[in-house]
Amino acid sequence: DIQMTQSPSSLSASLGDRVTITCRASQSISSYLNWYQQKAGKAPEVLIYAASSLQSGVPSRFSGSKSGTDFTLTISSLQPEDFATYYCQQSYITPFTFGPGTKVDIK
Amino acid sequence: EVQLVESGGGLVQPGGSLRLSCAVSGFTFINYSMNWVRQAPGKGLEWVSYISSSSSTIYYADSVKGRFTISRDNAKNSLYLQMNSLRAEDTAVFYCARAKGGYSGYFDNWGQGTLVTVSS
Repeated sequence: DIQMTQSPSSLSASLGDRVTITCRASQSISSYLNWYQQKAGKAPEVLIYAASSLQSGVPSRFSGSKSGTDFTLTISSLQPEDFATYYCQQSYITPFTFGPGTKVDIK
Repeated sequence: EVQLVESGGGLVQPGGSLRLSCAVSGFTFINYSMNWVRQAPGKGLEWVSYISSSSSTIYYADSVKGRFTISRDNAKNSLYLQMNSLRAEDTAVFYCARAKGGYSGYFDNWGQGTLVTVSS
């Protein structure tokens, strides 16, 4: 199975901060990497798919990039509605593993 | 508007069974692969199962293989998860999720989830 790791596991940030979350796959997954945001008590929502494609309706302050088996989610300027938990997921091959999540809270 | 609505969760004793349903609307169900994803209380997301649009291809996580069965009824716009031999560690919120782009697609729409609690 492909293992997904994320760092950091949590972070505290202020409004307007630039935030970067990293996800690493244990083997090559091409660009089959997706990012989801989950708020407390809610279902996850996709932000980025195929490593760097912005889902329709998602603000442009969210972006994704890829370097080998390392993937990055960047929030360019943190907004109040961005405080949530973020998960990466590989959809290259089953089992479609998720990363353990990164919780972003208010500093 | 795309909608996915899960039902069928509840409290069940260890060793028992439950059948989850996911009723979909707002899109052509037969055109999409579907997945079940679960989340134990306070934990992360775990993919459970995948079914292709025609039901010809099905996959399971090792943790549920042999105990859970995914199925769909395209005429009824519904997805199902039959869960047998339930264990305490199956306690979770179960989400159905639409896969955009087929097998390797991303999960672009999710239901609100249904809670399954396995306890005596």
